[in-house]
Parts: sequence; C-alpha cells; structure tokens
Amino acid sequence: SQQGEEDPQALSIQEGENATMNCSYKTSINNLQWYRQNSGRGLVHLILIRSNEREKHSGRLRVTLDTSKKSSSLLITASRAADTASYFCATSNQGGKLIFGQGTELSVKP
Amino acid sequence: NAGVTQTPKFQVLKTGQSMTLQCAQDMNHNSMYWYRQDPGMGLRLIYYSASEGTTDKGEVPNGYNVSRLNKREFSLRLESAAPSQTSVYFCASSGLAGPLGETQYFGPGTRLLVL
Repeated sequence: SQQGEEDPQALSIQEGENATMNCSYKTSINNLQWYRQNSGRGLVHLILIRSNEREKHSGRLRVTLDTSKKSSSLLITASRAADTASYFCATSNQGGKLIFGQGTELSVKP
Repeated sequence: NAGVTQTPKFQVLKTGQSMTLQCAQDMNHNSMYWYRQDPGMGLRLIYYSASEGTTDKGEVPNGYNVSRLNKREFSLRLESAAPSQTSVYFCASSGLAGPLGETQYFGPGTRLLVL
C-alpha cells in the first residue's frame, strides 16, 4: 500500500506563478524526498529533508516537513514551462527503501 | 558515467512467455531496486538488493524473480508473463556515502506490454 498521498492529483498554472504540492504519510520516517518525472522518463531526485528538519531550500524549491501532522509540502517559485512534470514524494524509514506517493501532475502554461 | 542503464526499452510478450529485464549501474552503489509504475500511480517496489549477494521482496513480488549478478547488475525475471504485468519497470540504485546516501538514481525504464 502507498505510504504517501499527494494533493492535488493535478495542478495547472501559468508561467511565473508559484506551485504548491502536498504530501501526507502514515508512519514515522527518517527522511522524506521529492522526485520529478518528465513524461516517458525515469525519476530524478530533487531534494531530501530529514525528520529533524522543518524546512529546506534548493534554488526555486522550498520543502517543509511537519512530523506532527505527518505532512510535507513542495513549493516551486516562479514556475517555468520546463517545470511541467509529475512530482512524487517518497518516505524512507529504514534500510534505504522508499515508499512513493501517487504523484502530482503539474502543467505550467507559457 | 552512464548512471543506471536498462535494457530493453520496450518489449511485447504473449501471456506465458518469459523474459529478463537487465539493469546495470556504474556508480559503485551498494543497493539496487526494481519498481513498477502503473498509470496514475506512484512506484511500487518489486524487489530490492541492499548489497551484493542479498535480495529481498518488496511490496509486489509475486510473479517475479531477481538476481544480483554482481555489484553492478541486478536483473528482474518474469517466468510466465501475465497481462497484469503490463507496466513500466524502473531500476534504481543508491549508496552514496554521506547525508544523501538514501537518494535513489533511476534508469530510463522498460515499457512492457503483455498480450
């Protein structure tokens, strides 16, 4: 069964707007990761946040983690058409195994 | 470095046929993984190998077998393909030292259609 549930399932925005995606999970974690998947491609790692961290930045990406609510959010600022992709959260509790959510499909219109 | 490579890219099988999906990584990673991805769903773990010489079942192992041939290569075998195994299969590896040790690196995928 899936650990993470993502919201929304699909998101359509205009270039330059911000995109926010949310992920909820069920059990305790060591870390939470976000991956991007372009159509027809493999997944690419974006950012990792550990359970003792609350916020992390990488370029235009901002990730927050609330372990009390078992939730995380990914914010992409000043979106570009090239950001169009599916975004997945994945949780890790031990041994390096990841459990993926169902993903958010982001469409950024030029 | 090629990263994670998978062969073949596409395959069509008839029900009952067998095939082996190949995966290789050149990053000297210890751990390797096989996932399947079905439309509108995330990735589900089929089997994984935490280190050379070990393999373990993931969430959906039924109908599959794996072999960790050496540190570089991890193959997935379908002994008797079924239409329910129509999917996109991804191989991944991990094992960097340091804080990103659990980051996984994915291959481009194999698209399998079972008729």
